[in-house]
Amino acid sequence: DAKTTQPPSMDCAEGRAANLPCNHSTISGNEYVYWYRQIHSQGPQYIIHGLKNNETNEMASLIITEDRKSSTLILPHATLRDTAVYYCMGVADSSYKLIFGSGTRLLVRP
Amino acid sequence: DTGVSQNPRHKITKRGQNVTFRCDPISEHNRLYWYRQTLGQGPEFLTYFQNEAQLEKSRLLSDRFSAERPKGSFSTLEIQRTEQGDSAMYLCASSGLELNYGYTFGSGTRLTVV
Repeated sequence: DAKTTQPPSMDCAEGRAANLPCNHSTISGNEYVYWYRQIHSQGPQYIIHGLKNNETNEMASLIITEDRKSSTLILPHATLRDTAVYYCMGVADSSYKLIFGSGTRLLVRP
Repeated sequence: DTGVSQNPRHKITKRGQNVTFRCDPISEHNRLYWYRQTLGQGPEFLTYFQNEAQLEKSRLLSDRFSAERPKGSFSTLEIQRTEQGDSAMYLCASSGLELNYGYTFGSGTRLTVV
């Protein structure tokens, strides 16, 4: 599984876009980029995943660079409830195991 | 479907006692996973079941730890002779055979060994 690097913490103002970066320079061709988040005292929650193309769902957008060495998770209009630790990871199509790093602690300010 | 359910939510035990946690996954999910999380760290993989078969155990899972999923439905994680270092959040998750929609995690069982 690819090693990922994320900033330990970030903050943004409520209502603004939150852009969370992730470096995964060792990602292999069959590994998807997955994002999860963990709100305090809860289990991690799936957000989004992608392989090569940009993806969007009701929670977020995922932008993956053309060389696939990095990605950005975008929360278009952050709310206070988006305050959480955000984890990115590479997961092979045939794999079943999520390997979590330390993640990015996002604080959304009122 | 109420998602993945874990019981109890909290457990305080004395060092040396045995504890057992239960996880009820989403009913149609074949795969079930246990993770452990200590303060300030991301979750660490412990073990994985596909139906009733335990297919992988992490080196983190010492001989004092045992997990079962007897009928391919709920699972239990038992820790024997607990130590203070076992204090952590124990998370259970389940998924289908493909990860397209990710894992669904429970809220965890927080174990405190005193």
